[in-house]
Amino acid sequence: DSGVTQTPKHLITATGQRVTLRCSPRSGDLSVYWYQQSLDQGLQFLIHYYNGEERAKGNILERFSAQQFPDLHSELNLSSLELGDSALYFCASSPGGQNTEAFFGQGTRLTVV
Amino acid sequence: QQQVKQSPQSLIVQKGGISIINCAYENTAFDYFPWYQQFPGKGPALLIAIRPDVSEKKEGRFTISFNKSAKQFSLHIMDSQPGDSATYFCAASGSGGYQKVTFGTGTKLQVIP
Repeated sequence: DSGVTQTPKHLITATGQRVTLRCSPRSGDLSVYWYQQSLDQGLQFLIHYYNGEERAKGNILERFSAQQFPDLHSELNLSSLELGDSALYFCASSPGGQNTEAFFGQGTRLTVV
Repeated sequence: QQQVKQSPQSLIVQKGGISIINCAYENTAFDYFPWYQQFPGKGPALLIAIRPDVSEKKEGRFTISFNKSAKQFSLHIMDSQPGDSATYFCAASGSGGYQKVTFGTGTKLQVIP
């Protein structure tokens, strides 16, 4: 158990809908990262938050947004969903602002039908 | 400059053999190089990591070799076992700021009996 909790584990929704994925980082970790992993693909970095502030953006679509709250949990919002958004979404956390190990959650499997 | 190139994409090794996965990076600001192991349906988990002040790090059957001048590093799995069958990701990150972890594209390893 990495200590990073993601909910829900599975999500099935229709095209055009909006969903919210939730991540609780390890206790004490200030950094939260979101990644997307499509079938048999690598990890695509979406966004990084540190102590509530956005620090880096990757290949995140404009339909996607994220935030990190004062209690350090983070949410990834996906809107106007398309079939191609079906993927595993991982959250990871790391201590402090300086990168060391990233600890991953178990992921949320999103299926858009 | 943020890319980490990983090869091969897939690898089949016989039980007891040596599995070798290679990565190359461009950004000389990277100073932390972790390897992650991911089993199907699970989040990646840190396997072993190295900093550029050493050329090799060994943990059990897993060894990282690091060549700073060539900007390359590799993972060697000695005495490979069927339980090692997983996808392996190399990664790199920098210190002194809020740089994200940059992942390689992954290598799917299959160890056959």
